Parts: sequence; structure tokens; C-alpha cells
Amino acid sequence: QKEVEQDPGPLSVPEGAIVSLNCTYSNSAFQYFMWYRQYSRKGPELLMYTYSSGNKEDGRFTAQVDKSSKYISLFIRDSQPSDSATYLCADDLERKAGGTSYGKLTFGQGTILTVHP
Amino acid sequence: DTEVTQTPKHLVMGMTNKKSLKCEQHMGHRAMYWYKQKAKKPPELMFVYSYEKLSINESVPSRFSPECPNSSLLNLHLHALQPEDSALYLCASSQDLRFRLIDEKLFFGSGTQLSVL
Repeated sequence: QKEVEQDPGPLSVPEGAIVSLNCTYSNSAFQYFMWYRQYSRKGPELLMYTYSSGNKEDGRFTAQVDKSSKYISLFIRDSQPSDSATYLCADDLERKAGGTSYGKLTFGQGTILTVHP
Repeated sequence: DTEVTQTPKHLVMGMTNKKSLKCEQHMGHRAMYWYKQKAKKPPELMFVYSYEKLSINESVPSRFSPECPNSSLLNLHLHALQPEDSALYLCASSQDLRFRLIDEKLFFGSGTQLSVL
């Protein structure tokens, strides 16, 4: 079982729609949850992060975490064509190797989103 | 300057060639990373440098050889690659090795799209 599961889509919605992107995770040790957005031929960029259950809002974006069911969601309101990208959920977990402590992101597979005018 | 710059953007090489990927950041970050991303897959961590020293090697084959000449530069030397090594190679940096929360978020470059023939 993958530590982070994400439906790869693709997801196609009309402009103005509400988009719901979801991930589930299996490792109870995960504490920090992030959403990255990756445009075509670009590196991922951090969109939002949260480290507790509940909602976090930033403009048109809302990140939701339900630790009891190990479920992470990203909602996009009033979606725009410029939101067309791959959205990756990620969990940050401190790992140790050879005495070195480091944070390592575990990414979901990514959901390809297209918002058409 | 909040950019991670990678060169070249595209690279085609034969299996007997030797080539290098370059990454540069001027944010004063002390941790730098190499990730590999296959098409329609999430990024996978390869190497982590902290204070110019290799801290983490995620069991990467020796045909990939990282180098950190100074605190701003990170190279990835490639030799005798296989066609299955074709992927987007992403460099990233963070303030410190243990990155958490928004103050120490991971900044990605746009990547080098590598094709091995």
C-alpha cells in the first residue's frame, strides 16, 4: 500500500466550477500536509500547508485535513483556466539516516486538472 | 531572489556520454536536493546536501554522482545512463535540512528534461 494515495484523474471542469482534490494517507505519523501545484515543464511550487485537522483558507483555495479518517482535501473555488496544472498532495515526515535527521516529502501521484473557458 | 535556476532545460545524451546538470540558488539556503520525476509520477528524492556535505543518498545508482562545489551550487554528474533514466531532474533548496512550515519550505527549480538514447 502506498503511503499517500491520490486519484490521478485527469479532471476537467468548466471555468467557475468548484474543484475538489483528494488524498488519503496510511501513516499515522504524518503531521504536516501540503499541496503543491506543478505547471507543465515546471517544478512544483508550494500552494498550501497545514499541520492540524480542520480547514485552512487562502483566497480561492481551502485545504482540509481529517486525521481521524486520514483524508486530505484541496478545494478550489471559482476555478480559472490558470489553475490548470497537476496538483500533488504531500506529507512531511522527519526521517533519520546514519544519525542525520531530515524532512522527507512523500508525494501522492498527482491529479491533472484542466479548467476550460 | 527566490529562484532556483537549473541548466540546461533539456538534455539528450547517449548511454556512453558524460554530462552534468547544474543548479544554483542565491537565497542563502543551506540544504539542497536532487529529485527525479518520471512522466505522470511524483518527484522522488535522490540526494540531500546540507552545508555542502552529502547527507542523504536514497540508494541511487553510482552512475549518478552529485557534487556541491559551494553553498550556492549543486551539480549532478551523469555517466553511462540507461534509457530508463530519462526523466525530469529537479533541484530544490530549503533554509535548513529539517524543513517544516512555511518559513522553511522547499523551493524547486524548473528542472532539466533528460532523454537518454
